[in-house]
Amino acid sequence: GENVEQHPSTLSVQEGDSAVIKCTYSDSASNYFPWYKQELGKGPQLIIDIRSNVGEKKDQRIAVTLNKTAKHFSLHITETQPEDSAVYFCAASISGANNLFFGTGTRLTVIP
Amino acid sequence: NAGVTQTPKFQVLKTGQSMTLQCAQDMNHNSMYWYRQDPGMGLRLIYYSASEGTTDKGEVPNGYNVSRLNKREFSLRLESAAPSQTSVYFCASTLGRVTNQPQHFGDGTRLSIL
Repeated sequence: GENVEQHPSTLSVQEGDSAVIKCTYSDSASNYFPWYKQELGKGPQLIIDIRSNVGEKKDQRIAVTLNKTAKHFSLHITETQPEDSAVYFCAASISGANNLFFGTGTRLTVIP
Repeated sequence: NAGVTQTPKFQVLKTGQSMTLQCAQDMNHNSMYWYRQDPGMGLRLIYYSASEGTTDKGEVPNGYNVSRLNKREFSLRLESAAPSQTSVYFCASTLGRVTNQPQHFGDGTRLSIL
């Protein structure tokens, strides 16, 4: 099956700085890459996703980039705010499949 | 709209006891999923149900059984709990296939097995 690695496991940034989280995947057939945000005591929530037919996608302060050749994708958060503090998970799957393979998570702390 | 509701929120069991975790969604979703979340290991799929009447194994199905009771409800059963099953369990649902629509998660059941 697919193996998704995620780095770093913890990340602290000053408010207003940018944060970058990186993931790699092993199965070249994977073509769907979502990112989930999990706040304390809650279930994960989808924040952005990208498919392999595009290299970058943006939604306000959040962007995701994909390099299919290198089999890695990244989450970029600009102008970080304290409410961005959470655990972020990347995932990978094959379009049309019924399961996601998740990374091990990154705990982001934004310091006011 | 409640979304995905899991019960109970917390539970402590002794080794060998049995338990059923309940999950219900009110979004008329077709697919439902059970994950476990362990420190440093992310979310791993236990079982899923693509539609009412069907269930399939995920990455870590051993020691668990599931029932898709109807379109709304998907339960997870531990027949003989083991300490290795101490985890946070999440139920999720999607309207269709997980790669076409976002998964909606419940807030989890924190299960400790002594």
